[in-house]
Amino acid sequence: AQKVTQAQTEISVVEKEDVTLDCVYETRDTTYYLFWYKQPPSGELVFLIRRNSFDEQNEISGRYSWNFQKSTSSFNFTITASQVVDSAVYFCALRNTGRRALTFGSGTRLQVQP
Amino acid sequence: EAGVAQSPRYKIIEKRQSVAFWCNPISGHATLYWYQQILGQGPKLLIQFQNNGVVDDSQLPKDRFSAERLKGVDSTLKIQPAKLEDSAVYLCASSLAQQVESEAFFGQGTRLTVV
Repeated sequence: AQKVTQAQTEISVVEKEDVTLDCVYETRDTTYYLFWYKQPPSGELVFLIRRNSFDEQNEISGRYSWNFQKSTSSFNFTITASQVVDSAVYFCALRNTGRRALTFGSGTRLQVQP
Repeated sequence: EAGVAQSPRYKIIEKRQSVAFWCNPISGHATLYWYQQILGQGPKLLIQFQNNGVVDDSQLPKDRFSAERLKGVDSTLKIQPAKLEDSAVYLCASSLAQQVESEAFFGQGTRLTVV
């Protein structure tokens, strides 16, 4: 069985603050992929990043960065200098070789106040 | 490149009525998914198609839900009869292949309210 846990239900920050969204996963597979999606009020899930289980190198893309730690089964997402447009629900998801569909966490709602 | 198209965007029906949702995936995408997203939760897979064959429908309530993907392109999801607990957003997604690394692209969803 596989599971994704996002313990933070809602986070509120003021613009320009840094914010980290936590994601913890469970899987018995040795080969798997982790994803982050953003869901703005329009409802469409927007792909942000994909990371495979063999690549623990952290990644930075503009104001976004991801910290993958296999030892703690975590794949955390940090937004630096947050902006109002970052307000959305963020989902962490897992896919393994046995089950090709994504298993999503329950999401973290981020509110960035001006 | 056009994204995943879904219709209608919103639907309100009474319990025990039937309803159908339509999805047109990104051109060339062989894999199509239907997810159910209940308010405050993450999306949950209902059914996955590879071309026009079903890959995974283990979480589809088959007594009331059905889905088809004729000719391996468009897909429809039907609920008959609807229950109050079916109120949710129904998301369609597609990916180029079913390899584990393939990212899925999502439509805007259909918000269903059952009253």
